[in-house]
Amino acid sequence: EDKVVQSPLSLVVHEGDTVTLNCSYEVTNFRSLLWYKQEKKAPTFLFMLTSSGIEKKSGRLSSILDKKELSSILNITATQTGDSAIYLCAVPRNSGTYKYIFGTGTRLKVLA
Amino acid sequence: DAEITQSPRHKITETGRQVTLACHQTWNHNNMFWYRQDLGHGLRLIHYSYGVQDTNKGEVSDGYSVSRSNTEDLPLTLESAASSQTSVYFCASSSRQGEAFFGQGTRLTVV
Repeated sequence: EDKVVQSPLSLVVHEGDTVTLNCSYEVTNFRSLLWYKQEKKAPTFLFMLTSSGIEKKSGRLSSILDKKELSSILNITATQTGDSAIYLCAVPRNSGTYKYIFGTGTRLKVLA
Repeated sequence: DAEITQSPRHKITETGRQVTLACHQTWNHNNMFWYRQDLGHGLRLIHYSYGVQDTNKGEVSDGYSVSRSNTEDLPLTLESAASSQTSVYFCASSSRQGEAFFGQGTRLTVV
């Protein structure tokens, strides 16, 4: 059965800290892995990782895909209070290219 | 700018009533999805469509239906609302590249 597991479930840090969020997956015929940030409203797209693009970076955020370990990490350096959110990862199910299964997310709280 | 909009943003309805949630996207994406988000379950796929006149069931489709008469819209209908359908509903659309964009969500309460 397709599965996405994120850890930790929640995390509290202070501004300036660096955090690492984990996403592991079990899916046949892996194609891609997506990271989203969800504040109070809609999830907003961060990164898509594929076999041909295993590392992405945008400002203080970066993500790496480890196909051998069937996992991905999302790093946030020099955290700010605005980084407080739920971070979701998703992979397409084997049964459909665009049918994503989402993890339950990591809730990050950054204290001033 | 292209966007995806949902309406209403909040809805309270009574058990047994039919409810329709609207979703409209201006990305010109073929792929559209409806998810529900509940504590402890994350986002779960209700229905999806890969193009006009195409609709498919997701993992939690019982009690829901969708129709796709044009590229821009994918309305979600709850045939007979139940308290178990109290949730936050998100519509999304994606291009062939796969990255999905979400609407702002509809918070539905069934009393």
